[in-house]
Amino acid sequence: NAGVTQTPKFRVLKTGQSMTLLCAQDMNHEYMYWYRQDPGMGLRLIHYSVGEGTTAKGEVPDGYNVSRLKKQNFLLGLESAAPSQTSVYFCASSYRTDEQYFGPGTRLTVT
Amino acid sequence: AQKITQTQPGMFVQEKEAVTLDCTYDTSDPSYGLFWYKQPSSGEMIFLIYQGSYDQQNATEGRYSLNFQKARKSANLVISASQLGDSAMYFCAMREKGKGGKLIFGQGTELSVKP
Repeated sequence: NAGVTQTPKFRVLKTGQSMTLLCAQDMNHEYMYWYRQDPGMGLRLIHYSVGEGTTAKGEVPDGYNVSRLKKQNFLLGLESAAPSQTSVYFCASSYRTDEQYFGPGTRLTVT
Repeated sequence: AQKITQTQPGMFVQEKEAVTLDCTYDTSDPSYGLFWYKQPSSGEMIFLIYQGSYDQQNATEGRYSLNFQKARKSANLVISASQLGDSAMYFCAMREKGKGGKLIFGQGTELSVKP
């Protein structure tokens, strides 16, 4: 039982490049989330999903897209990376509105 | 709008002593949940404790307890018998009913346990 895993763990992008972050969970959770954490701040919600095939915007969705084609996976895409998107990205999942289980994070630097 | 406030950027506590980390929240929804997470220097987010707005008793989990004062809109985390391994960032978070389980996080409190 791996819990929540994230790929990759680290990435450096140049401005304008695109990338996809993969989140996978093996707990059969319905709900999945993407957060970002900037220095000295708490986590802020980017997008979330309450089930396969559904997604919704969170607090800071601009510049990101997501997809939930399979229940166990939640993808976060950056179409044209900007330095302001340098951050640590966390994926989380939960059984409905119970406590969220977090992945280890992806540290992204955009130069 | 819902909001979580943690007013202590940093705290120090002596090993084996108890410490209280403050959290206040603002919401107009009568149904909500409050969570505390720990983030050690390794970066992962670890769930500690949960309190529901309709729970009659304060939540406890081992050395962690939540001092829930609904009228004051506060949900302070109490750690008893602090250990060196408790040194970490601590985040308070709130979930409102019907919002897809979304969490709103405070800015965190960095706790340092002194030997």
